[in-house]
Amino acid sequence: EPEVTQTPSHQVTQMGQEVILRCVPISNHLYFYWYRQILGQKVEFLVSFYNNEISEKSEIFDDQFSVERPDGSNFTLKIRSTKLEDSAMYFCASTWTSGGARDTQYFGPGTRLTVL
Amino acid sequence: TQLLEQSPQFLSIQEGENLTVYCNSSSVFSSLQWYRQEPGEGPVLLVTVVTGGEVKKLKRLTFQFGDARKDSSLHITAAQPGDTGLYLCAGASDTGTYKYIFGTGTRLKVLA
Repeated sequence: EPEVTQTPSHQVTQMGQEVILRCVPISNHLYFYWYRQILGQKVEFLVSFYNNEISEKSEIFDDQFSVERPDGSNFTLKIRSTKLEDSAMYFCASTWTSGGARDTQYFGPGTRLTVL
Repeated sequence: TQLLEQSPQFLSIQEGENLTVYCNSSSVFSSLQWYRQEPGEGPVLLVTVVTGGEVKKLKRLTFQFGDARKDSSLHITAAQPGDTGLYLCAGASDTGTYKYIFGTGTRLKVLA
């Protein structure tokens, strides 16, 4: 069964460093998302991406964040200068359409980012 | 701002008991998903409900979408220790790119 994959599973970095989190969405999917989950808190939407551009972003997704689809398979989230409060699980999700009512987002296993 | 409140937040029951988890909002959602999440892992889809009043069954799990598409419930019959986990509801926003709004989660523990 097709699945969303993410690498690395765990990333430890120093405050101020840049990190890139990678995702390989399900191959025929067209819409891609990043969410994050701070430990003990709920899953929060960060950004959605379609046709090589951002469709929607939350207030969390500030200038330190960027997303890219560098080739036909990868979808990346870059944090330019990490802060302690960026420590969280980051989940990538993909879906075939944004048909909303009848389309389901499939989530990857997540990358745990720890900022020291 | 669309919000989803889940109740209860925590639930500890004995094996064999029944339980219901609620997911409520004042907003209308175009669809609602239930996920189960294990520690350190991503949410795993259980079901999607789309139509107001819809009921779906997955073995011992019964999911219902409210008539007005503002709320949902998950009922587990004869709970087993394997049902232990974090249950999340997520509503698909009916605007923009259909981002998911996640509920606050219900942590279930089923004791043998």
